[in-house]
Amino acid sequence: ETGVTQTPRHLVMGMTNKKSLKCEQHLGHNAMYWYKQSAKKPLELMFVYNFKEQTENNSVPSRFSPECPNSSHLFLHLHTLQPEDSALYLCASSQDTGGFTDTQYFGPGTRLTVL
Amino acid sequence: GNSVTQMEGPVTLSEEAFLTINCTYTATGYPSLFWYVQYPGEGLQLLLKATKADDKGSNKGFEATYRKETTSFHLEKGSVQVSDSAVYFCALSDRSGATNKLIFGTGTLLAVQP
Repeated sequence: ETGVTQTPRHLVMGMTNKKSLKCEQHLGHNAMYWYKQSAKKPLELMFVYNFKEQTENNSVPSRFSPECPNSSHLFLHLHTLQPEDSALYLCASSQDTGGFTDTQYFGPGTRLTVL
Repeated sequence: GNSVTQMEGPVTLSEEAFLTINCTYTATGYPSLFWYVQYPGEGLQLLLKATKADDKGSNKGFEATYRKETTSFHLEKGSVQVSDSAVYFCALSDRSGATNKLIFGTGTLLAVQP
């Protein structure tokens, strides 16, 4: 499945580093999402973009900064992270955010470790 | 608020055994319901979905029926294979706002032994 790609697949960073996660969807969708997946916890929705506009920020700390330059690309800029931010970060896309039966398609995720 | 509760894992079965993974939900209105599967090292893939009460979603031998009266969407498969080993997530669409959001359960790890 190459509909949604994410890079890098693995990332190790120190608490003072700045890094970015990239997501690209090849499905012609208009909505893109960032989720955080931690062990023993439900998936947490972080951000939602629809037609490049942010429509949801689920009380995410400002050390996570999303960017959506167009409907096909989504970035998550990371700065001054904490060890508890270590998790699998998943990107997803859907046709748009108005259809409640729309399927979300996920990328393989970026495994982030903060030292 | 809306929420999804699914059975704790891991669930360990022998090949060809019958599988049930329980999922119940709390929601206002009439959400759509989903099962996603996550194989090791991969992202989530949609397994099946149902959009209204009494709908049955099915795919790859898996089935789940949208039961409004019991607010449940249990996943079943008649004969599991080793290749079905994965984490299974139940989810509902949150209709409380204008944005299409999915609320996920914690996931159930299924391990199928030969």
